[in-house]
Amino acid sequence: DVKVTQSSRYLVKRTGEKVFLECVQDMDHENMFWYRQDPGLGLRLIYFSYDVKMKEKGDIPEGYSVSREKKERFSLILESASTNQTSMYLCASSLGAPGQRRNQPQHFGDGTRLSIL
Amino acid sequence: GEDVEQSLFLSVREGDSSVINCTYTDSSSTYLYWYKQEPGAGLQLLTYIFSNMDMKQDQRLTVLLNKKDKHLSLRIADTQTGDSAIYFCAERYAAGNKLTFGGGTRVLVKP
Repeated sequence: DVKVTQSSRYLVKRTGEKVFLECVQDMDHENMFWYRQDPGLGLRLIYFSYDVKMKEKGDIPEGYSVSREKKERFSLILESASTNQTSMYLCASSLGAPGQRRNQPQHFGDGTRLSIL
Repeated sequence: GEDVEQSLFLSVREGDSSVINCTYTDSSSTYLYWYKQEPGAGLQLLTYIFSNMDMKQDQRLTVLLNKKDKHLSLRIADTQTGDSAIYFCAERYAAGNKLTFGGGTRVLVKP
């Protein structure tokens, strides 16, 4: 079974702090994703990566950055946390390179509920 | 751009069938997925359908795809209290890596 592990289930930080959310997958997946989930808005893609040191902006990248130094690890960084970044953050991974048409379901971690005070 | 929509809420009695609906706009979708999210957890892949199929059955789950109307549904037979959760449909378009998710349907199963 695919295992996607997010380092924290709950996190409380203060406005202006630099916040790191970590995600590790154990299935040698090429693709990794960061989403935030807010009531009524579903899942919104922040950033994704299809290879080590590669990153692509998703739909809402403002205020965030990412790092992928190793294939199994994808970090989401809030450069200067703000209260509107209070949310549930979900990490996912999937197999396959861009352009491949085979089935590539995304596998999710359990989420990190982040509160910014 | 692509857009995926779902109704917000569904209430169903234990033992009845549940039908969760989803509409999408991108006609170049290749795979469509259904995920389940239980309280406090991440998303669990339930099932998927390839865009050249009309129907897929997997135990209590039946997925119907009407490609002409861009309509996807998930039917859960003999709904149980453990089926109470939020259900998300998602589409993968063309050969991209990204999925576009609907807003989720909260299913409440009453005894």
